Amino acid sequence: EVQLVQSGAEVKKPGESLKISCKGSGYGFSIYWIGWVRQMPGKGLEWMGTIYPGDSDTRYSPSFQGQVTISADKSISTAYLQWSSLKASDTAMYYCAKIGAGGSFDVWGQGTMVTVSS
Amino acid sequence: EMVMTQSPATLSVSPGERATLSCRASQSVSNNLAWYQQKPGQAPRLLIYGASTRATGIPARFSGSGSGTEFTLTISSLQSEDFAVYYCQQYNKWPPITFGQGTRLEIK
Repeated sequence: EVQLVQSGAEVKKPGESLKISCKGSGYGFSIYWIGWVRQMPGKGLEWMGTIYPGDSDTRYSPSFQGQVTISADKSISTAYLQWSSLKASDTAMYYCAKIGAGGSFDVWGQGTMVTVSS
Repeated sequence: EMVMTQSPATLSVSPGERATLSCRASQSVSNNLAWYQQKPGQAPRLLIYGASTRATGIPARFSGSGSGTEFTLTISSLQSEDFAVYYCQQYNKWPPITFGQGTRLEIK
């Protein structure tokens, strides 16, 4: 079974750093793009960026460029999303998703809730 | 900048009836269009890709149509489990990848 399993919920203070993970299984992790999607409370889906684990080629949405870092370690089939200095406005659910046919997200992780509050 | 506009924002339909959801792109995306369903507390689920191809395991009552800038998701006979939020997404020559703002399908 193709699966993406994300790390657990996080509660952080403004200014702290954070790295969340997304582990793939059941398919060739290195050869499919992985994307990250933000969903703020009660809002819609926003594409943040996408990485190709095979060579770590990364594309960012202009809205998130410089705000987050996307990386991957193909040796352990895991992609990451990290912040160096969190803000309250980063409070959201974050999903990773595998890109399948063409560019649709065919498999999704369960989501990681990030809460940033003083 | 590519903008995806979904209509209506909320659609009220009775079980057993047909639901038609629309998605418009600000410029042509060819057939590089996907539809997702999201239920409360759950991750989105891929329903349709390539504008009209059902994803694995998706019931035949879900169908997609359109190309270029106008797309439609039709649910032929609504079941109780179909009431959810639906998003369209374009992936033509990505990046960027762009989602619509969503249509909430509620029970009438």
